[in-house]
Amino acid sequence: NAGVTQTPKFQVLKTGQSMTLQCAQDMNHEYMSWYRQDPGMGLRLIHYSVGAGITDQGEVPNGYNVSRSTTEDFPLRLLSAAPSQTSVYFCASSPGGLTDTQYFGPGTRLTVL
Amino acid sequence: AQSVTQPDIHITVSEGASLELRCNYSYGATPYLFWYVQSPGQGLQLLLKYFSGDTLVQGIKGFEAEFKRSQSSFNLRKPSVHWSDAAEYFCAVDPTGNQFYFGTGTSLTVIP
Repeated sequence: NAGVTQTPKFQVLKTGQSMTLQCAQDMNHEYMSWYRQDPGMGLRLIHYSVGAGITDQGEVPNGYNVSRSTTEDFPLRLLSAAPSQTSVYFCASSPGGLTDTQYFGPGTRLTVL
Repeated sequence: AQSVTQPDIHITVSEGASLELRCNYSYGATPYLFWYVQSPGQGLQLLLKYFSGDTLVQGIKGFEAEFKRSQSSFNLRKPSVHWSDAAEYFCAVDPTGNQFYFGTGTSLTVIP
């Protein structure tokens, strides 16, 4: 049981480039979410999904797209990266929503130059 | 504005000493309340959560937290800290059941 996995671990982008952060879970959890962690600001919810085909916005959704075609995968897309998106990104999954225990991945450290 | 406040950015305690990490929130109704821990280079792990009922909540790793409605607080405690408890601790609230807000975190250093 791998839990929640994220790839890549590190990424450097130039302003304007696009990329997808991958997140997968093997616990058959319906609920998945993406957070970003910035110094002195804690984690902030970007997008979440309550099941395949269903996504919704969190606190800071601008600049990010998500889709959920399978229960296992929840990729986060940056269509045109900006320096303000330099952050550490965490994916999480839970069996019953945000109020249930969330299981976090190890994170992706993204730098946008 | 609604918020989650962790007033202590950094705390240092001696191994074996007691610990209390503070958390205050400013939502109108009692939200769902959580404490998560983040070890260096790792994702977050849930320590405990409070929804309703008994205001003293027991969690993993010997941690407990007490909900005080009158003070809008949900402080985390441990009677005897171990060196392995050194980490970043985050208080979090979910005011509606479908949003989630973390505090800015408290970094704990444990000295021998």
